[in-house]
Amino acid sequence: DADVTQTPRNRITKTGKRIMLECSQTKGHDRMYWYRQDPGLGLRLIYYSFDVKDINKGEISDGYSVSRQAQAKFSLSLESAIPNQTALYFCATSAEPTVPPGELFFGEGSRLTVL
Amino acid sequence: KNQVEQSPQSLIILEGKNCTLQCNYTVSPFSNLRWYKQDTGRGPVSLTIMTFSENTKSNGRYTATLDADTKQSSLHITASQLSDSASYICVVSAISNFGNEKLTFGTGTRLTIIP
Repeated sequence: DADVTQTPRNRITKTGKRIMLECSQTKGHDRMYWYRQDPGLGLRLIYYSFDVKDINKGEISDGYSVSRQAQAKFSLSLESAIPNQTALYFCATSAEPTVPPGELFFGEGSRLTVL
Repeated sequence: KNQVEQSPQSLIILEGKNCTLQCNYTVSPFSNLRWYKQDTGRGPVSLTIMTFSENTKSNGRYTATLDADTKQSSLHITASQLSDSASYICVVSAISNFGNEKLTFGTGTRLTIIP
């Protein structure tokens, strides 16, 4: 079983619909992240969380929200999906670095298409 | 603005041959540089992480070099195999004023190995 699991792996939806992407991890890491990958662009950080009560915006958080339900679970929501949110979304985890840097462990990705 | 540029964008080589991928960055203040391998439809997987004081680091047939003075890194793949076909992503880390780590991702080099 994968250490970082994302569901769903693929989703097609319509403009205006609410979508939730879920991420769970068995690595025991405190830190979790949501990234977005678009063709021709590097991965961009949407939100991150360093523990259950900590939520931080990344560089492209507009139009997204997150929930850290437990140490192992971090969900990304699109309240009202729009076509330019069509992308490949990755969840990642890292341990708090006692000696920097903290290596990132990625999930398999969730491909979202908004029509 | 922090930037990471990779070259070439794509590369095709014969199985068994060597190749070198380049990464130039303008990230400050520099903390570390990472190379990831991303197979099609999968999440990125870490190959190497190098801090300021490290000039070279190997992981099997993968050898990364870092020149912090010229802000350049390379990833050399020796005796390529079909399984090396993937995108290779250079990621550079900076430490913010608050002590947080900020990652800037390159757009990747798409490597194809042909038999």
